[in-house]
Amino acid sequence: EPEVTQTPSHQVTQMGQEVILRCVPISNHLYFYWYRQILGQKVEFLVSFYNNEISEKSEIFDDQFSVERPDGSNFTLKIRSTKLEDSAMYFCASTQENTEAFFGQGTRLTVV
Amino acid sequence: DAKTTQPTSMDCAEGRAANLPCNHSTISGNEYVYWYRQIHSQGPQYIIHGLKNNETNEMASLIITEDRKSSTLILPHATLRDTAVYYCIVRGGSQGNLIFGKGTKLSVKP
Repeated sequence: EPEVTQTPSHQVTQMGQEVILRCVPISNHLYFYWYRQILGQKVEFLVSFYNNEISEKSEIFDDQFSVERPDGSNFTLKIRSTKLEDSAMYFCASTQENTEAFFGQGTRLTVV
Repeated sequence: DAKTTQPTSMDCAEGRAANLPCNHSTISGNEYVYWYRQIHSQGPQYIIHGLKNNETNEMASLIITEDRKSSTLILPHATLRDTAVYYCIVRGGSQGNLIFGKGTKLSVKP
């Protein structure tokens, strides 16, 4: 069964450093998403991406965040200057049109 | 914010049916009801979705009331591995974003 793949599974970074979280969506999917989940809290929407541009973003997705689909297969989330409060699980998801979204297993980001 | 209301937690005996309710009284005509679950801190797992008809797949059944203001997810024979947080989500259109609430923490007990 096709799946969304995320790497790395765990990333530790120092405050102020840039991180890039990587996702390989399911190959024929067209819509891509990033979500985050701070420990013990609910899953929060960050951004959706379609046709090589952001289609919607939440208020969490400020100028520190950016997304990119650099090569037609990967979908990345970049955090420019990490803060302690960016520590969370980050989930990537993808979907075709008119179908359910599938989620990856997440990247645990720890900012120290 | 989430447009659904779910109980915070529920218990179910192993082997029995688990019935998880969800209220979505403000749902509009083109919005679907989706159910996902999350086991520990794994990625949310799709279960089932529907518009107005009842739906069944290999995992669960979804019963939507005629007025579409509420629905019930049914796991026919719950196992210990079904212990998870279950999210009922109202999703607009085909690419509407999934907005998660706090869900129902289902504990399946031996």
